[in-house]
Amino acid sequence: GENVEQHPSTLSVQEGDSAVIKCTYSDSASNYFPWYKQELGKRPQLIIDIRSNVGEKKDQRIAVTLNKTAKHFSLHITETQPEDSAVYFCAASGWGTNAGKSTFGDGTTLTVKP
Amino acid sequence: SAVISQKPSRDICQRGTSLTIQCQVDSQVTMMFWYRQQPGQSLTLIATANQGSEATYESGFVIDKFPISRPNLTFSTLTVSNMSPEDSSIYLCSVVSNVGADTQYFGPGTRLTVL
Repeated sequence: GENVEQHPSTLSVQEGDSAVIKCTYSDSASNYFPWYKQELGKRPQLIIDIRSNVGEKKDQRIAVTLNKTAKHFSLHITETQPEDSAVYFCAASGWGTNAGKSTFGDGTTLTVKP
Repeated sequence: SAVISQKPSRDICQRGTSLTIQCQVDSQVTMMFWYRQQPGQSLTLIATANQGSEATYESGFVIDKFPISRPNLTFSTLTVSNMSPEDSSIYLCSVVSNVGADTQYFGPGTRLTVL
């Protein structure tokens, strides 16, 4: 089955700095890679996703890159703000009948210091 | 996006008892799933809830422990049977809206504590 590794497990940055979280996956059949933000006591919220036919995607301060050959993808947050503090999870899944059957990374606790 | 509700939002149960968690979606969805998130950990897929047929369980999860029903395209239940303290977790319902889609949405979760 799929295995997703996520690094680092904790990340502390100063407000305004950038944050980068990296994930690797093992199953070449995976083709959908979402990132979720989970605040304490709340559900995971999708913040950005990328599909295997795209190398990079950006949404305001958040961007995701995908290297299919190396089987890794990364989340980039620029101009971090204290409200970006949360646990971030990467995930990998397939398409069609395998959509929704996601394998998650272990999570990264991001702390943005004001 | 789909709006998902779960009941109960939290519960405290005694070991050896069972709890049924309900998941309701505001629109018909093709695929529904149940995930578990143990304290301080990541999410793990328990099973796919299939409408009109038996659920499909992931490795390490069995029907006798986690029976699942899905009577229609908007509703599913997960039962945690014969509970032990190790079952203390957040249980999350998740959906993928349409055939051919891949975007996944999560319910608010049910926080279960087993004493």
